[in-house]
Amino acid sequence: KNQVEQSPQSLIILEGKNCTLQCNYTVSPFSNLRWYKQDTGRGPVSLTIMTFSENTKSNGRYTATLDADTKQSSLHITASQLSDSASYICVVSPSGGSYIPTFGRGTSLIVHP
Amino acid sequence: GAVVSQHPSRVICKSGTSVKIECRSLDFQATTMFWYRQFPKQSLMLMATSNEGSKATYEQGVEKDKFLINHASLTLSTLTVTSAHPEDSSFYICSAGSVRNYGYTFGSGTRLTVV
Repeated sequence: KNQVEQSPQSLIILEGKNCTLQCNYTVSPFSNLRWYKQDTGRGPVSLTIMTFSENTKSNGRYTATLDADTKQSSLHITASQLSDSASYICVVSPSGGSYIPTFGRGTSLIVHP
Repeated sequence: GAVVSQHPSRVICKSGTSVKIECRSLDFQATTMFWYRQFPKQSLMLMATSNEGSKATYEQGVEKDKFLINHASLTLSTLTVTSAHPEDSSFYICSAGSVRNYGYTFGSGTRLTVV
């Protein structure tokens, strides 16, 4: 069964600090992995998309890494801001078949001033 | 970039009535649309997958007669919650995409409250 596990479940940091969120998956065959940011009461917004051949991708202060061999990904947030407080969701899509993505449960990040 | 518009953003309805939620892809043709449901502090739960011009595929436990999905064109899908009850109150989100582009772009979500 395809699974996506995220850790930590929740995280509290001070404004200006860095943090790293983890995502492990068992989805196979692999097509792509995406990180989304979801503010409370809003739809998820895409931060990064990575395919099998990509190891790292940045979007401003967000940097995602992918190790397709170990099936692990991380999202690093640099110099956190209060507006980074949100849920971060890792989504992995398979290739072939129905292409239905598997969602992680998300990491809830709270940035305190 | 790909934009998906979802309406309404919030709706309050009386128990027993039906509510229709629209999901439109504004600048691309969405061959596949997904409908999700999200309860507070929980992850998105896939309800159904629809491909343009064909019947939706519902996930196990989702009542197809209660949650009617129509995907009549490549830019529009609708979810109708029929005979809504308070337990149907939730956050409903659509996502639309083209497999070729990997891109499944989410709508902004609809907060449904059934009173």
